[in-house]
Formats: sequence, structure tokens, C-alpha cells
Amino acid sequence: QKEVEQNSGPLSVPEGAIASLNCTYSDRVSQSFFWYRQYSGKSPELIMSIYSNGDKEDGRFTAQLNKASQYVSLLIRDSQPSDSATYLCAVNKRERDDKIIFGKGTRLHILP
Amino acid sequence: NAGVTQTPKFRILKIGQSMTLQCTQDMNHNYMYWYRQDPGMGLKLIYYSVGAGITDKGEVPNGYNVSRSTTEDFPLRLELAAPSQTSVYFCASSPPGQGASDTEAFFGQGTRLTVV
Repeated sequence: QKEVEQNSGPLSVPEGAIASLNCTYSDRVSQSFFWYRQYSGKSPELIMSIYSNGDKEDGRFTAQLNKASQYVSLLIRDSQPSDSATYLCAVNKRERDDKIIFGKGTRLHILP
Repeated sequence: NAGVTQTPKFRILKIGQSMTLQCTQDMNHNYMYWYRQDPGMGLKLIYYSVGAGITDKGEVPNGYNVSRSTTEDFPLRLELAAPSQTSVYFCASSPPGQGASDTEAFFGQGTRLTVV
């Protein structure tokens, strides 16, 4: 089982709808969870971080964490064409092997 | 506020040539990483370092070498360039954090490498 798994997509969502991106991770000791957005040809940029179970909201973005199910999600409300990008899920175990592991990313396409 | 700086931004190499991709950060981060990203694909970890003098292999280390003599610098060396190494290379750094927080990675702008 891969350490961080995402559906590669593409995920097509109509403009104005809610985009839902999912991520699962294999190591139960993971403590820090991140969502990055990457536009084509650009470097990844952090959009959300979450460390505790539950929801965390920031503007149109909501990150959801369920450690028991080893599941992280990102909801984008009122999707805009500018949200079209690849979204990378990242996990940090904060243990001895203390590196950040990235998923392969989900390509999101917002349909005008 | 330079953050993570990579040089060069673009490079074309001939098969068999060698080069070093430079990465430096001014945030005093302990952790540094090198990733490669092939077209339409996700990030693959090449090497990483948890501090000066310590390096570890990632998912795809073959054909690469790294060193970490200082906290700031983490160069990536390609000894015998091959077409399979054509990719975009990203350097990143992250702090050790306090508990579980403040550990996100900050990325450089990337180096687009083509081997012909």
C-alpha cells in the first residue's frame, strides 16, 4: 500500500459547485496533513494544513481529517475556473523517519 | 525574504554530461528535500536531509547524489545524465516544528532539465 494515495483524476466540476478531493494515508502515527495546489509549470503552494480531527475552514476551502479512518479531504466551495490545478496531499509523520510524503495529486478541472 | 532558491531555472544537458542543481534556503530549516516531477505526474522524492551532515535516499535516488555540508545548502548532483532524467526538479525545506504544527514544506521555483 502506498503511503499517501489520491485519485489522479481528472475531476471535472461545474463552476459554482463543490469540489471534493480525497486522500488516504497508510501510517497511523502521521500527525501533520497538508493540501498543496500546483498550477501547471509552477511549484506547489500550501493552501491548507490540519493537525486535529475534524474540519478546518479557510475561506472557500475546508480541510477534513479523520485519523481513525486515515482519511483527509479538501472541499472547495463555489468552485472557480482559477481553482483548476493539481492538488497534492502531503503527510508528515513527525517520527524518527521525519520526511514529508506527497501523494501523486488529483487534477481538478472546473468547467465554466 | 528569499525562501528557497534554486538555480538554474532551465538547463539542457547532453547524455553523459554532469551537473549540479543548486538549492539554498534562508529560513534555518532543518529538513530539505529534492523531488522530481515528470510531465502530468506527481512528485517523487529523490533524496532528503534532516540536518547538516545527514542525507537519506528517497523513492528514486538512482543516478543522483546529494550532500548537506551546511544547513542552508542542499545541492543535487547528476553524474552521467540520461534522457530518463528529463524532468522538473523541485527543492523544498521544512522546519522541525513544535509538536505536530508548523512543519509544512516550502518549495523553490523548480529547475526544468532536459537531457538530449
